[in-house]
This record gives sequence, C-alpha cells and structure tokens, in this order.
Amino acid sequence: GDSVTQMEGPVTLSEEAFLTINCTYTATGYPSLFWYVQYPGEGLQLLLKATKADDKGSNKGFEATYRKETTSFHLEKGSVQVSDSAVYFCALSYPQGAQKLVFGQGTRLTINP
Amino acid sequence: DAGVIQSPRHEVTEMGQEVTLRCKPISGHNSLFWYRQTMMRGLELLIYFNNNVPIDDSGMPEDRFSAKMPNASFSTLKIQPSEPRDSAVYFCASSLPPGYEQYFGPGTRLTVT
Repeated sequence: GDSVTQMEGPVTLSEEAFLTINCTYTATGYPSLFWYVQYPGEGLQLLLKATKADDKGSNKGFEATYRKETTSFHLEKGSVQVSDSAVYFCALSYPQGAQKLVFGQGTRLTINP
Repeated sequence: DAGVIQSPRHEVTEMGQEVTLRCKPISGHNSLFWYRQTMMRGLELLIYFNNNVPIDDSGMPEDRFSAKMPNASFSTLKIQPSEPRDSAVYFCASSLPPGYEQYFGPGTRLTVT
C-alpha cells in the first residue's frame, strides 16, 4: 500500500539556520504530495503542495520539489524563524477517487532565538 | 469564513461511557473526514464521507466506533463504550470535490480514564 516516511524528529535549530526535513513516499500510482503544518493546540494547515513530477510547491519561504525518480518531497527553508516552530507532516493523496490523505509520522521542529 | 468547527474541544470521561464528538464542515464543502492523532500511531483516517454518504470506513478501529452525517452541515463520531486506549485528539476535515485542499478543525482532545 501507499506510505510516507519522514525523517525522525525532533529537530532543533537556531534562528536563521537552513532547514531540511526529508520525506520519501511509496505509491502505487501518481499521487499529489503535500506538506501540512500543525502549530501547538491547532489543527493542521496546508503549507504547500505539488501535483506532478518536477513541480515545486512554495509558501511562506518554504519549498519542496516533487522528485519522482527518488520518490521524495523534501521540505526546505533558507532561514528559519522562531515562529516556524511546529510539527510538519508530509502526506500524499490521489486527486481522483477517495482523496484519502496518507500522512507521515510528523517531525517536530523547534527554533531557538 | 468560520472554518471547520468541532465540539467539544476537550472531553474527559470514564471508561464505559458514551462519547459523541461533533463537526460542522465549511459551508459548500461536500467531503468530510474524521482523523485520530496519537503519539503511537500518528494521524489515521477513520472514515470519509462524500455528499453525506460514507465512502470508506476501513479505518474505524472497531464496532464501538460509529459515524454519521445526517446533512451537509453536521457530522458526529460516537464511541460506545469508550476505553482508555481511545484517548487521542480527533480531527474533522472538509474539502470541496476531489483534488481540493482539506481544511482541518481545531480537534477534540479526548481523555478516557
């Protein structure tokens, strides 16, 4: 079946550091890929998405590129801020059919000032 | 726009009691999802409705769990009888037709003692 694997957390960085959170997937078809963010005490919010190979999703300084050859969708940001502290989830779904989101286990990110 | 509304935000109950969680999706959205989040298992899809009809309930853990969507603006997730292992955060999400973003509610934190 389909699955998503994220790098183990927690991740702790200093403000203005470069961020990479790795995400790889296993899929039987051609899914869309997503990064969701969960701030403390809140529900998940869509951060960015990509719907086909080589697409780059971007939002709020975060970027991720859909790499079919390596089945990856790594999240990057050039200079993180304290306000980026949250849990980040990589996910996939198929735009047709059930639209079920399959999530990775989440990566907790803490940014220190 | 009010977003997805869930109630209650917190629920503490004793083992064996019935628990009902409620969700109001975003107006105009015709797909509704119930998720459960735990430390051990991460985010799991429990059940998914499209146009008020349950499409996939394969994630519902056992017969103690049931979900209904009597109309386009309301859904319930019921656990009867509740057990301590049901303690988790339960999220409701809604979306437009296939391929669109899922919007998550703030979640209900359930504690069963």
